[in-house]
Amino acid sequence: SQQGEEDPQALSIQEGENATMNCSYKTSINNLQWYRQNSGRGLVHLILIRSNEREKHSGRLRVTLDTSKKSSSLLITASRAADTASYFCATALNTGTASKLTFGTGTRLQVTL
Amino acid sequence: DGGITQSPKYLFRKEGQNVTLSCEQNLNHDAMYWYRQDPGQGLRLIYYSQIVNDFQKGDIAEGYSVSREKKESFPLTVTSAQKNPTAFYLCASTPKGGGYQPQHFGDGTRLSIL
Repeated sequence: SQQGEEDPQALSIQEGENATMNCSYKTSINNLQWYRQNSGRGLVHLILIRSNEREKHSGRLRVTLDTSKKSSSLLITASRAADTASYFCATALNTGTASKLTFGTGTRLQVTL
Repeated sequence: DGGITQSPKYLFRKEGQNVTLSCEQNLNHDAMYWYRQDPGQGLRLIYYSQIVNDFQKGDIAEGYSVSREKKESFPLTVTSAQKNPTAFYLCASTPKGGGYQPQHFGDGTRLSIL
């Protein structure tokens, strides 16, 4: 089942602008992760935020988590053409040594020059 | 460089045929996963394995089978019972303590029906 719903489904911005993507989920989580996927490629991990954290930064990325609203947002500042990709949130349930991730439907980001 | 290798990159299946997708990792990771991605969609979990000789069904295991005879290898067989196999298949892995570890992905196998 798809736990996460992402909004918007597609986003087109110009280089230098900020991009914000939102993710909502339904059940309690252990942590939430954001991944990036270039066309026809595998996913690349961007950032992980634990359920007891509210905000996390990594370079030009800022992630927030509101567990009371079961939502998260990913902000990419000063976007570049190379940021063009699909972005997915994934919620994690810790299962022994494995991490079962449930992925959202993704946001397709297009950054134009 | 360490990573996950999926092969082949493209695969075609005939009616009634079983096909096997390869996934090999040299990251010394304990857990491995198989996902299916349909166009414009997120990933759905097919099977996952936490240790050698053990694996669990994910959300959409019907029509698929796996084995985990070696730590570094987790092949996926798409059987003839899977009536809609056309999709992009992704393999991933995590080290021990996987709950708080990011998943590392291969570059996928695209399966189509002839």
